[in-house]
Amino acid sequence: EVQLVESGGGLVKPGGSLRLSCAASGFIFSSYSMSWVRQAPGKGLEWVSSISSSTTFISYADSLRGRFTISRDNAKNSLYLQMNSLRAEDTAIYYCARRPESGMDVWGQGTTVTVSS
Amino acid sequence: DIQMTQSPSTLSASVGDRVTISCRASQSISGWLAWYQQKPGKAPKLLIYKASSLESGVPSRFSGSGSGTEFTLTISSLQPDDFATYYCHQYNSYSSLTFGGGTKVEIK
Repeated sequence: EVQLVESGGGLVKPGGSLRLSCAASGFIFSSYSMSWVRQAPGKGLEWVSSISSSTTFISYADSLRGRFTISRDNAKNSLYLQMNSLRAEDTAIYYCARRPESGMDVWGQGTTVTVSS
Repeated sequence: DIQMTQSPSTLSASVGDRVTISCRASQSISGWLAWYQQKPGKAPKLLIYKASSLESGVPSRFSGSGSGTEFTLTISSLQPDDFATYYCHQYNSYSSLTFGGGTKVEIK
């Protein structure tokens, strides 16, 4: 079964850091670009970042560049998002998704990040 | 960045109705557009990619059309399972992806 499972979310204080992980299974992870997409409570979808299959191309939403870092380990079939200098407005469900360049066809269940003192 | 404007933001409809949702891009994105359905507490589900290609397993009552800056998602006969929020998503530029604001389809 093709599957993405996120982990690493939780409660963090403003200014803190968190590292999200996304474990892929059921497909050849190294062949696909991947993305992170977030959704604040009661709000719409917001693209966060994308990374190509071989990490050649990496992109970020303008509002997040410099605080968030996307990475992947194809040997471990895993995608990561390092989030630093977290703010209250980063509170959201964070989803990882496959194939951002042609319609995200597989999504994880999401991991919740809450930034609060 | 390319902005995506969806309309309406909320739509009230009955089972059996034909429903149309619009998405407008701030500049041409050719046909690089996808549509998703999201239900409360669930991850989005891909319905349409490349503006009009139906994702495998998606019922044929869903269809997409358009190119350039104007796009439409149509549900030919609304079913009880279709009450959800729908999002468009442009992927014309790999370096900057954007979603529309969403359209909530409610029971009339």
